[in-house]
Amino acid sequence: DADVTQTPRNRITKTGKRIMLECSQTKGHDRMYWYRQDPGLGLRLIYYSFDVKDINKGEISDGYSVSRQAQAKFSLSLESAIPNQTALYFCATSDPIAGVNEQFFGPGTRLTVL
Amino acid sequence: SQQGEEDPQALSIQEGENATMNCSYKTSINNLQWYRQNSGRGLVHLILIRSNEREKHSGRLRVTLDTSKKSSSLLITASRAADTASYFCATAVSGGGADGLTFGKGTHLIIQP
Repeated sequence: DADVTQTPRNRITKTGKRIMLECSQTKGHDRMYWYRQDPGLGLRLIYYSFDVKDINKGEISDGYSVSRQAQAKFSLSLESAIPNQTALYFCATSDPIAGVNEQFFGPGTRLTVL
Repeated sequence: SQQGEEDPQALSIQEGENATMNCSYKTSINNLQWYRQNSGRGLVHLILIRSNEREKHSGRLRVTLDTSKKSSSLLITASRAADTASYFCATAVSGGGADGLTFGKGTHLIIQP
């Protein structure tokens, strides 16, 4: 079984709809992250969480919100989706030891906003 | 803004040849990591080099780091068709590392059979 899973894998929605992307992990890591990837732009950090009570904004948090329901679950919401939020979204986890921040990625969710 | 920038953006070589990709970054780092992404899939960690290291090997991978030039290179030797993927460098900044990694835009590598 995959250590980091994301649901749904693909989603097509319309402008103005509320969307939730979910991420679950079985690695037991405290840190979780949400990134988006756009063609030619690499990955950009949306939000990150160090534990259930710690949520932080990343580089591009506007238009997004998150919820850390448990150590293993980190959800990303788009309250009112817009077309420029069409992208590939990745969840990642890490468990830094001695300053090493290797991250483990989920398979991604391809979101299309019409 | 992007911390890391890979060069070249795209690279096509014959199977068996060596592939070299470069990464430049802007600020002081704690460590630098390389990831591989097969088309449309999640990123997979390849190798990490700390700021006090100059070279590191892992199988067919060799990574160098020059902190004075703020640059790193990834060498894949004896390339195979399965190496076809996008490769990203990612940096963890000094004094941070808490806010996730900062990724470059990637090098798309194509291995011709």
